[in-house]
Amino acid sequence: GQNIDQPTEMTATEGAIVQINCTYQTSGFNGLFWYQQHAGEAPTFLSYNVLDGLEEKGRFSSFLSRSKGYSYLLLKELQMKDSASYLCAVRGPIKAAGNKLTFGGGTRVLVKP
Amino acid sequence: EPEVTQTPSHQVTQMGQEVILRCVPISNHLYFYWYRQILGQKVEFLVSFYNNEISEKSEIFDDQFSVERPDGSNFTLKIRSTKLEDSAMYFCASSDPGLASEQYFGPGTRLTVT
Repeated sequence: GQNIDQPTEMTATEGAIVQINCTYQTSGFNGLFWYQQHAGEAPTFLSYNVLDGLEEKGRFSSFLSRSKGYSYLLLKELQMKDSASYLCAVRGPIKAAGNKLTFGGGTRVLVKP
Repeated sequence: EPEVTQTPSHQVTQMGQEVILRCVPISNHLYFYWYRQILGQKVEFLVSFYNNEISEKSEIFDDQFSVERPDGSNFTLKIRSTKLEDSAMYFCASSDPGLASEQYFGPGTRLTVT
């Protein structure tokens, strides 16, 4: 099975940096995804890591350590529109077809002026 | 930019009734999925679909549920005899076969069972 943990809520100030941690225990691993979800909306893709290390994409970066079962999403230069939930999702072992994602509970980030 | 679409955006139904949720995945994608999210809870996988058959399903996806690709563009989720606990947001997603490919989510259908 899969178990994915992330903090429930974080608060940060506009212009600051916030780091959202995610730890996972899985029976198989084939990549970790970060999604952003605004209230009442669909998750939208932010980043993907399958190898150890840091992936940078503009204001967002994501890090993965497979040996530790650990990832983080780093949001820099926070803007008010970044207030949302951030979902960590693990993709299980590749089957012949279909790559189901198992999601954590999400971290609600509140950006204050 | 291509996107996944879903209809209806909101469906209200009475307990015991059947509902069909509709999705149009991105046209060149080959993998299709349904997820659900009960209010305030995590996104949960229901089923994945490839080459006109189910490739994986979760424990939630019991005999009450079925999926179909009735034509070249639509992908549907049918819930027979709905229960109160089926009330949730249902998301359709699609992806292409690449290992690094992300799943693109539709805007969701909010199902309310009364």
